[in-house]
Amino acid sequence: NAGVMQNPRHLVRRRGQEARLRCSPMKGHSHVYWYRQLPEEGLKFMVYLQKENIIDESGMPKERFSAEFPKEGPSILRIQQVVRGDSAAYFCASSPAGRSGTEAFFGQGTRLTVV
Amino acid sequence: QKEVEQNSGPLSVPEGAIASLNCTYSDRGSQSFFWYRQYSGKSPELIMFIYSNGDKEDGRFTAQLNKASQYVSLLIRDSQPSDSATYLCAVNIRDNYGQNFVFGPGTRLSVLP
Repeated sequence: NAGVMQNPRHLVRRRGQEARLRCSPMKGHSHVYWYRQLPEEGLKFMVYLQKENIIDESGMPKERFSAEFPKEGPSILRIQQVVRGDSAAYFCASSPAGRSGTEAFFGQGTRLTVV
Repeated sequence: QKEVEQNSGPLSVPEGAIASLNCTYSDRGSQSFFWYRQYSGKSPELIMFIYSNGDKEDGRFTAQLNKASQYVSLLIRDSQPSDSATYLCAVNIRDNYGQNFVFGPGTRLSVLP
């Protein structure tokens, strides 16, 4: 049973380009969460999705950022017109449909560097 | 505003000692509580979860939960240098839309040989 898969592991983009980060949840998991982590800082919640639905995007910047989790395929976090401040590690986690005590498992992360 | 608070540290303990990591949360509706360990440059990995008041032990790790005080802790017995990492407390909150995980800022633990 493969874990949460994120790709690419490392992504370099020039300012103004678009970044697409992919996350395939664990088999059987229908909930996906995206977090951003700056160096030496904690995980900041960005968005929570279920298949074809954004449940909570309160942590996501209103501009340039979007996320989707289509019926088929991975969840995508899209950052348009990247700026240097977008450089961070982006982690995806997944969990099965909710029961108490349902833990979230993390992917290896995508390290985005904007040059 | 749902918040999870942790002391940022660094917390330094000598090898073999007990490390005590603390976490408080603001949402009384929180149902489940998790401790993750994150090594520098790596992704968080789950150590333990707890959802009933009291203690839960797993090897050298003990999680303690007190819902009345909105407090959860992690004790690491016989601390080893390999335990040096950032420990993240996470709270699972269920609302009308499903469930979400809110993380604390993490406590950096340093175990000194």
